[in-house]
Amino acid sequence: QSALTQPRSVSGSPGQSVTVSCTGTSSDVGGYNYVSWYQQHPGKAPKFMIYDVDKRPSGVPDRFSGSKSGNTASLTISGLQAEDEADYYCCSYAGTYTLVFGGGTKVTVL
Amino acid sequence: EVQLVESGGGLVQPGGSLRLSCAASGFTFSTYWMTWVRQAPGKGLEWVANINQDTSEKYYVDSVEGRFTISRDNARNSLYLQMNSLRAEDTAVYYCAKPTVTTGVDAFDIWGQGTMVTVSS
Repeated sequence: QSALTQPRSVSGSPGQSVTVSCTGTSSDVGGYNYVSWYQQHPGKAPKFMIYDVDKRPSGVPDRFSGSKSGNTASLTISGLQAEDEADYYCCSYAGTYTLVFGGGTKVTVL
Repeated sequence: EVQLVESGGGLVQPGGSLRLSCAASGFTFSTYWMTWVRQAPGKGLEWVANINQDTSEKYYVDSVEGRFTISRDNARNSLYLQMNSLRAEDTAVYYCAKPTVTTGVDAFDIWGQGTMVTVSS
């Protein structure tokens, strides 16, 4: 049950694209297509952004996209906007109804 | 409106106990797995525990196994977390979360506002 590895921070200018990586193992990220992503603004509850690696819930802008290759999942934000500045967390199913989150990445809009 | 509202947090001494509650509304609570997630101050999210619809299956992160107990009352649309033998490292905001589908445990579309638990003497 070790946390997934995310970069502590990424940044980009408005309109640019940024990618947040989430690295696990073959027992979690690499073993299942059950990776989800959450956005969290300071003092707020997490917000559901991506599920099943690359599916976007209704209401989430299409500039948010997810992907996975091997043991690493990624969240890409295209056309970065000021309101996208937040912490982002990945989460993966890890077998036997257990889950593991990433350490979180702070996205800064320059 | 689909909603989760946690309560029961507070200040407790090391070794003490606390029971958190989560009141659900706006969806058929009894048909979903439910989950507790916590976040220590300035830290990331951590999955704590899951419970299935009829309470026959419960799963915990290693660090709380044997000390915390997840339960639910479907008649009251409520989820609980009984926390015993509390440690300083249990200090966190505790969220309850609902999965997006009844058969799933891994993607949470609804979160409560969280309740703060502080373990300190």
